[in-house]
Amino acid sequence: DIQMTQSPSSLSASVGDRVTITCRASQTISSYLNWYQQKPGKAPKLLIYAASNLRSGVPSRFSGSGSGTDFTLTISSLQPEDFATYYCQQSYSTSWTFGQGTKVEIK
Amino acid sequence: EVQLVESGGGLVQPGGSQRLSCAASGFTFSTYAMSWVRQAPGKGLEWVSGISDSGGGTYYADSVKGRFTISRDNSKNTLYLQMNSLRAEDTAIYYCAKATYSGTYASDYWGQGTLVTVSS
Repeated sequence: DIQMTQSPSSLSASVGDRVTITCRASQTISSYLNWYQQKPGKAPKLLIYAASNLRSGVPSRFSGSGSGTDFTLTISSLQPEDFATYYCQQSYSTSWTFGQGTKVEIK
Repeated sequence: EVQLVESGGGLVQPGGSQRLSCAASGFTFSTYAMSWVRQAPGKGLEWVSGISDSGGGTYYADSVKGRFTISRDNSKNTLYLQMNSLRAEDTAIYYCAKATYSGTYASDYWGQGTLVTVSS
């Protein structure tokens, strides 16, 4: 299976900060990489698909980049509603896998 | 409006079986792949299984291969997960999710989840 490793596992940031989360695949996955946001007690929500495509309705402060094995999710100006856990996921292989998650907390 | 509603969760003994269902509405169910994703208490997301739109292709995580079976009934707009030989480590919230393809497969809609607890 393809392993997905996110860093950091958690971070503390303030409203207005620029936040960057990285995701590394154990082998090349082209651009078959998605990003999800999950808030406590809720189902995950799709933010970014195919590495850099913003899902309709998702605020433009979210962006994704990368290809091959290294990917990044950036929040340009953190808002109160962005405090949540973020997961990357690969769909390159028929056995999809998620990263372990990055929890974004209030500083 | 897309809706996915899971059911069938509950308490089951180790070694037992459980069947989860996911009722879909608001989209043409038969034209989309679907998947099951679980989340153990306090842990991250784990992809469990996926199925093609026709049901002809099924895929599993190594952790459940040989024990779980995914299926769908396109006439009933329903996705299933048959879970056998359940273990304590299968305790989790199980989500069904609709897959869309736009350069990659991604899960664009999720149900609210159903809790499966494996315990004696």
